[in-house]
Amino acid sequence: DTGVSQDPRHKITKRGQNVTFRCDPISEHNRLYWYRQTLGQGPEFLTYFQNEAQLEKSRLLSDRFSAERPKGSFSTLEIQRTEQGDSAMYLCASSLGGRRDSYGYTFGSGTRLTVV
Amino acid sequence: GNSVTQMEGPVTLSEEAFLTINCTYTATGYPSLFWYVQYPGEGLQLLLKATKADDKGSNKGFEATYRKETTSFHLEKGSVQVSDSAVYFCALRDLGNTPLVFGKGTRLSVIA
Repeated sequence: DTGVSQDPRHKITKRGQNVTFRCDPISEHNRLYWYRQTLGQGPEFLTYFQNEAQLEKSRLLSDRFSAERPKGSFSTLEIQRTEQGDSAMYLCASSLGGRRDSYGYTFGSGTRLTVV
Repeated sequence: GNSVTQMEGPVTLSEEAFLTINCTYTATGYPSLFWYVQYPGEGLQLLLKATKADDKGSNKGFEATYRKETTSFHLEKGSVQVSDSAVYFCALRDLGNTPLVFGKGTRLSVIA
């Protein structure tokens, strides 16, 4: 197992365009999380999945954001009509879920989005 | 709500100096506590954790003790190396299905 993979590593897009990021979690992990990290800040929670079910969404996740995990494996995060304020590092993490989350999450290397 | 407060950086130390990065938390329940490290250009890596009061997490020479009475989880290392230069994040996970909550991070630079 190679850990949590995110694709692409970097994305530059023009304002108003749509972008989609992909995350492949560790295969036996039930939970998958999306976080956003801006410069000089800690990761901020966006949303998470238990298998294919999206269980919680942060208020940070505006209507322009949508996340899916169709088969309980990989996940996608789409941002429609991007704005410059969307520029950030988007981090994906996975975990075993339940009480085993006390072991912590495994994070991917992130996708850095720049909106110009 | 749940929150984590870390000392602001950057912290600059000479090699072999003693390191302390302060972390305090606010939680509604009885959380698990974590330190994550982010090296330049990489994702977050779990450094150490503690799940109950008075537990000490340790890894790679770093230590942190879960202090319920002071709601703290300070990170320490007796002798830092240049390779420890990174951003360190304190985090908590409260009971139930709540996701990890992170502090803002503390950048450490170790100079030879």
